[in-house]
Amino acid sequence: AQTVTQSQPEMSVQEAETVTLSCTYDTSESDYYLFWYKQPPSRQMILVIRQEAYKQQNATENRFSVNFQKAAKSFSLKISDSQLGDAAMYFCAYRASGGYQKVTFGTGTKLQVIP
Amino acid sequence: DAGVIQSPRHEVTEMGQEVTLRCKPISGHNSLFWYRQTMMRGLELLIYFNNNVPIDDSGMPEDRFSAKMPNASFSTLKIQPSEPRDSAVYFCASSFRPVWSNNSPLHFGNGTRLTVT
Repeated sequence: AQTVTQSQPEMSVQEAETVTLSCTYDTSESDYYLFWYKQPPSRQMILVIRQEAYKQQNATENRFSVNFQKAAKSFSLKISDSQLGDAAMYFCAYRASGGYQKVTFGTGTKLQVIP
Repeated sequence: DAGVIQSPRHEVTEMGQEVTLRCKPISGHNSLFWYRQTMMRGLELLIYFNNNVPIDDSGMPEDRFSAKMPNASFSTLKIQPSEPRDSAVYFCASSFRPVWSNNSPLHFGNGTRLTVT
């Protein structure tokens, strides 16, 4: 079974600084998708960024980028120029390709942004 | 687009009562998921529908839980009878999954916070 591990329950970053959230996963599949979701206090889960495993290029979305290391099964999220609105829970998620494959979520990292 | 709409936002009920949670997925999405979020277990998939048909209900905790999707625009998750350990935030999510791809992300509703006393 696939597992997703987020080893940092909590992180903090100064406003305008850069922070990296870690995520590792375990799978025997070669083709899959990885996602980062943000859950602010409003509770809604919001997609931040996604990565296809067959793509070597790391995905970027404005201030958000990932460092995808397929061999190491690592998928970290980098937030540049952190803003107060970035404070939230961040969940890493995995989904295998092909057919129906459910999304497996990590346990989350709570990010605090310090003004 | 209004996004995934869940109701109610909060529900407080007494043990033994029936609880019904509702979800309206994004129009055009053909996949619908019910998740439960707790501090202890994080996000757990309860059930997945594709084209209104339940595909994977292996996450449904027990017979007290049931889910239906009578049409493409509506789904319910029912707990009968409810117990205190059912207290959690229940999320509905939808996505459009074309046959050739599993890349489509989940779009979540705001969740229903259920408290069973």
